[in-house]
Amino acid sequence: DAGVIQSPRHEVTEMGQEVTLRCKPISGHDYLFWYRQTMMRGLELLIYFNNNVPIDDSGMPEDRFSAKMPNASFSTLKIQPSEPRDSAVYFCASSLFRAETQYFGPGTRLLVL
Amino acid sequence: GENVEQHPSTLSVQEGDSAVIKCTYSDSASNYFPWYKQELGKGPQLIIDIRSNVGEKKDQRIAVTLNKTAKHFSLHITETQPEDSAVYFCAALANNDMRFGAGTRLTVKP
Repeated sequence: DAGVIQSPRHEVTEMGQEVTLRCKPISGHDYLFWYRQTMMRGLELLIYFNNNVPIDDSGMPEDRFSAKMPNASFSTLKIQPSEPRDSAVYFCASSLFRAETQYFGPGTRLLVL
Repeated sequence: GENVEQHPSTLSVQEGDSAVIKCTYSDSASNYFPWYKQELGKGPQLIIDIRSNVGEKKDQRIAVTLNKTAKHFSLHITETQPEDSAVYFCAALANNDMRFGAGTRLTVKP
């Protein structure tokens, strides 16, 4: 398996623009997680899905953030409108079970100017 | 909810020496404790994990110990090598809530 795939790897955009991050989990994994990593706050869980259904989105910072998982092999995290404080590395991870190893993707480095 | 504290935040050792990173957790319901290694420009990668029914686990130069009574667990790396240099994260899972420590930047000097 190729592992968790994320795109794009880097994104530079201007404040106010819409940003869409994409993730393909490992085939057969029932759980998908979106994390944000910053120097100040470390790794933060934003939202996770089980069998394509959002289970816990309490980590989503505000209404500007939304996530979808239309099928078992694809998820998106959207920020609209983006702000400079959204600049961070966004990771997607997947696992077989909730209490099981999470496999992380390479991340998307987002810079909002 | 769970709170995970990790120490030290930075650690520098000489090649061949041992490195120890410690984490404490607050929720006694925590039952799964993974350790991740993150190299520059990459996502965290699992290096070892331990469950609450085990006190110690070893994989070659890496070992993890768990003290449930004291609510702390530690990562031990022996015979460190320059390629061990990275940021290491501990995590604890309780009631479907996985919390990560703030990370330890380990530097192994050749």
